[in-house]
Amino acid sequence: AQSVTQLDSQVPVFEEAPVELRCNYSSSVSVYLFWYVQYPNQGLQLLLKYLSGSTLVKGINGFEAEFNKSQTSFHLRKPSVHISDTAEYFCAVSGMNSGYSTLTFGKGTMLLVSP
Amino acid sequence: GAGVSQSPSNKVTEKGKDVELRCDPISGHTALYWYRQSLGQGLEFLIYFQGNSAPDKSGLPSDRFSAERTGGSVSTLTIQRTQQEDSAVYLCASSLGALNTGELFFGEGSRLTVL
Repeated sequence: AQSVTQLDSQVPVFEEAPVELRCNYSSSVSVYLFWYVQYPNQGLQLLLKYLSGSTLVKGINGFEAEFNKSQTSFHLRKPSVHISDTAEYFCAVSGMNSGYSTLTFGKGTMLLVSP
Repeated sequence: GAGVSQSPSNKVTEKGKDVELRCDPISGHTALYWYRQSLGQGLEFLIYFQGNSAPDKSGLPSDRFSAERTGGSVSTLTIQRTQQEDSAVYLCASSLGALNTGELFFGEGSRLTVL
């Protein structure tokens, strides 16, 4: 079975500052990795995903993430955040042992952007 | 419809009553998922459907929980004899097929409050 650890439950940051949201996964098999975002009172939507190939993945709204197999990490970054990026961010993993059919989510990181 | 539709959006019930939550996935999506989102707990996987069958129902927390899907479309999650710990947001998602070809599309959830 796979699991996901999001090390920070909340990350406060000022507008236009860079941000990194950390995600580590545990799996003994090959995985696919995802970041989802949930804006207040909305459903989750996909930010980006890593399936194979380049370890640096670019997503929507200027976010990117880097897959690091040796450190089993998939940290999310943005060089300059906006107030509108305030949301909860979820890292998720899908593994070969589930036939890549289900996602296991972390507990989420609340990104709070202030002026 | 254009997106995943869930109803009711809010449900308040008394302990011991049964509740039904409905999910209408995106047309043509063969895979359907139910997750539970509790404060500070992230998303907890409940059950996954491929067509009308449920290859993975490992996340259902007890035999009070059941789900079905008919016609490869609408799904109903039923909770019998509700308990206060069942209070959460129940999220439904659908996808075209296996996750290596796409992403999960989430509804806005059904918020259940058990008094």
